[in-house]
Amino acid sequence: DAKTTQPNSMESNEEEPVHLPCNHSTISGTDYIHWYRQLPSQGPEYVIHGLTSNVNNRMASLAIAEDRKSSTLILHRATLRDAAVYYCILRLRDDKIIFGKGTRLHILP
Amino acid sequence: TAGITQAPTSQILAAGRSMTLRCTQDMRHNAMYWYRQDLGLGLRLIHYSNTAGTTGKGEVPDGYSVSRANTDDFPLTLASAVPSQTSVYFCASSEFGQDRAQPQHFGDGTRLSIL
Repeated sequence: DAKTTQPNSMESNEEEPVHLPCNHSTISGTDYIHWYRQLPSQGPEYVIHGLTSNVNNRMASLAIAEDRKSSTLILHRATLRDAAVYYCILRLRDDKIIFGKGTRLHILP
Repeated sequence: TAGITQAPTSQILAAGRSMTLRCTQDMRHNAMYWYRQDLGLGLRLIHYSNTAGTTGKGEVPDGYSVSRANTDDFPLTLASAVPSQTSVYFCASSEFGQDRAQPQHFGDGTRLSIL
């Protein structure tokens, strides 16, 4: 079964870039990679998604490895409000949605 | 804008009782989803509906039922609650369920404790 693997936690200094990794070695060719984040006591919030090419939006960038077995969410300049749990998710062709356990990101002022 | 509204915010329920968690969206999205979130396990999909009138089973459907009588509402029912169903439940929606590029929009959750 497809699954994702993320580090349990990471730390970064405020105003510095953050690279959040995700491994999805069993991904198949048509599975989409999504990233969400969850602040305390809130529901998850969509961040970005991609299939094969790197993607940029106002919140973040997504770098997808050429073999698609891993991806990295990049926050270009972390702020204290970016402290959250970040989830790497696969959306599979059979309607399955696989959430990883997430990475808790701590931002140091 | 309201987006996804879940009710109640929290509930304590005796084991064996039934409970319906309500979810309403005002975005006219075709697809809706129910997840549970447990410590250390992330979010797991319970049931989903790609369009009004249809439903499907997710990763952990046992003990739960859903219905999708119209586009806006997607209630989740626990017919006979058990303590292992203690969790935080999130409802979500997306414009087109079978378009895997679509982002999902989440509610703020219902915290349910079964005693």
